[in-house]
Amino acid sequence: DTAVSQTPKYLVTQMGNDKSIKCEQNLGHDTMYWYKQDSKKFLKIMFSYNNKELIINETVPNRFSPKSPDKAHLNLHINSLELGDSAVYFCASSPGLADPSYEQYFGPGTRLTVT
Amino acid sequence: GQNIDQPTEMTATEGAIVQINCTYQTSGFNGLFWYQQHAGEAPTFLSYNVLDGLEEKGRFSSFLSRSKGYSYLLLKELQMKDSASYLCAVRVKDSNYQLIWGAGTKLIIKP
Repeated sequence: DTAVSQTPKYLVTQMGNDKSIKCEQNLGHDTMYWYKQDSKKFLKIMFSYNNKELIINETVPNRFSPKSPDKAHLNLHINSLELGDSAVYFCASSPGLADPSYEQYFGPGTRLTVT
Repeated sequence: GQNIDQPTEMTATEGAIVQINCTYQTSGFNGLFWYQQHAGEAPTFLSYNVLDGLEEKGRFSSFLSRSKGYSYLLLKELQMKDSASYLCAVRVKDSNYQLIWGAGTKLIIKP
């Protein structure tokens, strides 16, 4: 069984379009994350939810909007896509915030290409 | 600011030992993680250190010195499948326990 899943795996779209990426985890974790990994391979946190509450909201254009309908799902909607949005987007989850040793489990990633 | 430094690329020989260093300057240190990422795949957890010293896990060991802001990942008996990027990440209390990531070290294993 897949622990953290994302759809779609690949997304090719044109500038100006609106798209969504979905993430689901079946680990019973409380905390979920969205990361962006650019061509230089830096993993940059975008958002984090703990028990459906937004706790991390880094400096990200407001064209990006996360939504957590329940603890097992965290979706990412992107409006008015730009060339610079091309990257791999990873969803991740962890059991919670209480124990600092909690590792994060990553989904397979969504490779977004904006043309 | 928060900063993590790792070498960009390293090369080693199958069967040998390699040490990948990571130095960090962060506030509110709350633990250091090492992850492995094969090309085109997701990062996967390797090790966690929060106290000074060495943590051993099979062929992989990780060391931490909090006073020096320094960690290393030691890989023994290298195998071809160890060719991957190795990411160092520091957990910080001040920002809701988020992870600050290094850019990763690409390890190339030669026969």
